Amino acid sequence: ELKVEQNPLFLSMQEGKNYTIYCNYSTTSDRLYWYRQDPGKSLESLFVLLSNGAVKQEGRLMASLDTKARLSTLHITAAVHDLSATYFCAVENSGYSTLTFGKGTMLLVSP
Amino acid sequence: DADVTQTPRNRITKTGKRIMLECSQTKGHDRMYWYRQDPGLGLRLIYYSFDVKDINKGEISDGYSVSRQAQAKFSLSLESAIPNQTALYFCATSDYGEQYFGPGTRLTVT
Repeated sequence: ELKVEQNPLFLSMQEGKNYTIYCNYSTTSDRLYWYRQDPGKSLESLFVLLSNGAVKQEGRLMASLDTKARLSTLHITAAVHDLSATYFCAVENSGYSTLTFGKGTMLLVSP
Repeated sequence: DADVTQTPRNRITKTGKRIMLECSQTKGHDRMYWYRQDPGLGLRLIYYSFDVKDINKGEISDGYSVSRQAQAKFSLSLESAIPNQTALYFCATSDYGEQYFGPGTRLTVT
């Protein structure tokens, strides 16, 4: 059974600081997704990581995937208030084409 | 117009009532999913369907049923609602891999 663990579950940051969110998973998978959710809203796709070593960047966010370590990271550079949201990683269950989600990381960026 | 729509957006119902949540999509995807979200638990898969004739149970299917009326429509039913089914419910669609989510239905069972 695939298990997905995110760390930390809550992150309070100051604007301008850097930080990394970690996503570990328990069984082999080559596909991992990052989503963003604003309070009371739906999930918005941020990154699709489809192979070992994949790195994607959008603005102040950069995501990477190491399938051998079963680890993905979401790095935040020079955080701004608009990045405040909950971030989920989701890992594809090999052979089933379904996703298992982490519990989410609630990010709060304050001045 | 939104690619994935859900109705109703909010619903309050009483214990023991039957309720149906509906999902429609215009993305032309074959695959559709129902999730529930509870605070601190992330999203958990209830049912999924890879085409009209293919329905599969997810992690937490007990107490729920689904119907895939057409490629574009996937409904979730609670046959006899109970308070611990109070949650935010999301429908999603996909082609292969990346899933696209509807706006969600907030369901409260009293």
